[in-house]
Amino acid sequence: NAGVTQTPKFRVLKTGQSMTLLCAQDMNHEYMYWYRQDPGMGLRLIHYSVGEGTTAKGEVPDGYNVSRLKKQNFLLGLESAAPSQTSVYFCASSWGQPPNEQYFGPGTRLTVT
Amino acid sequence: GESVGLHLPTLSVQEGDNSIINCAYSNSASDYFIWYKQESGKGPQFIIDIRSNMDKRQGQRVTVLLNKTVKHLSLQIAATQPGDSAVYFCAENTGGFKTIFGAGTRLFVKA
Repeated sequence: NAGVTQTPKFRVLKTGQSMTLLCAQDMNHEYMYWYRQDPGMGLRLIHYSVGEGTTAKGEVPDGYNVSRLKKQNFLLGLESAAPSQTSVYFCASSWGQPPNEQYFGPGTRLTVT
Repeated sequence: GESVGLHLPTLSVQEGDNSIINCAYSNSASDYFIWYKQESGKGPQFIIDIRSNMDKRQGQRVTVLLNKTVKHLSLQIAATQPGDSAVYFCAENTGGFKTIFGAGTRLFVKA
């Protein structure tokens, strides 16, 4: 039981490049989330999903897109990376909607130059 | 605006002592509060939670206290151990998917 896994762990992009972050969970959770964590700030919700085939905007969705084609996977895409998207990205999942306990992945550190 | 903050950015304690980490919140309508632990290079990990209709909740070596009068939340860790060294942050759920996370306090445990 791996819990929540994220790939890649680290990535460096040039401004304007695109990439996809992959999140996978093996707990059969319905709800999945993408957060970003910036120095000196709390986690901020980017997008979330309440089930396979659904997505919704969170607090800071601009510049990101997501897809939930399979229940166990939640993908976060950056179509044209900007330096302001330099951050640590965390994926999380839960069996029910907040405030049900969320299980977090280990994070992806993304640097955009 | 609504905010969740921490009184101290760092806290250093001697191994075996008790630790107290504080958090202030501003939304009196918040119904649910959570404490997370985040070790270096890892994702946040749920520690303990408390609903607004409670004043105190205890877990294994941890206690969360909620003072709604002054909108204050604290996490007490008993007999702090080196493995407790991490960043601790509180979160406030104001309904549905709106959860506000604090920036965190870094706890150092001296052997």
